[in-house]
Amino acid sequence: DTGVSQDPRHKITKRGQNVTFRCDPISEHNRLYWYRQTLGQGPEFLTYFQNEAQLEKSRLLSDRFSAERPKGSFSTLEIQRTEQGDSAMYLCASTPQGTDTQYFGPGTRLTVL
Amino acid sequence: GENVEQHPSTLSVQEGDSAVIKCTYSDSASNYFPWYKQELGKGPQLIIDIRSNVGEKKDQRIAVTLNKTAKHFSLHITETQPEDSAVYFCAASSKVIFGPGTSLSVIP
Repeated sequence: DTGVSQDPRHKITKRGQNVTFRCDPISEHNRLYWYRQTLGQGPEFLTYFQNEAQLEKSRLLSDRFSAERPKGSFSTLEIQRTEQGDSAMYLCASTPQGTDTQYFGPGTRLTVL
Repeated sequence: GENVEQHPSTLSVQEGDSAVIKCTYSDSASNYFPWYKQELGKGPQLIIDIRSNVGEKKDQRIAVTLNKTAKHFSLHITETQPEDSAVYFCAASSKVIFGPGTSLSVIP
């Protein structure tokens, strides 16, 4: 399967802990997006990368959140000092150059106790 | 910023009937309008998209229409099947601002 993959699929953590998620986009897709989705809502844009450059960050991305894409391939999303309100599905999507079509991964479901 | 509204929030249809979901957007500069289907426990999957220079696009049982003047676009699913049951999201613009979703149930 050469689709977008995310790891882990599920994460349960205690409030105050740090967590890191990984996204592997489809090979050679130059744009990579992170979204957050809560139950019953549509995905909310967090940030996106074009190659290794982080071009835009949503105001939803507080200073506890940081995302990287060091080599323009996989990306990580870290949440520091997690809060119960961070509980959500975190989705990653990638887009090939020259199109707007986003291919989503299966998501990482985070539960903060 | 862009705002996308979607109606209805839930929709139940009999198998074989048609389903229509409507979305409106606020940013007249938006030029890309995808529709996604999300099944339980999975990420959204693109089912059809349309650009602002086209008024209608069809792919088998699925069609999308766009009215740029009124800033609304619609998803039409004909001959619905139980496997069409899912949550459908519309979106607008290249950053993909999503609507809140429509939960479609197709009753056999």
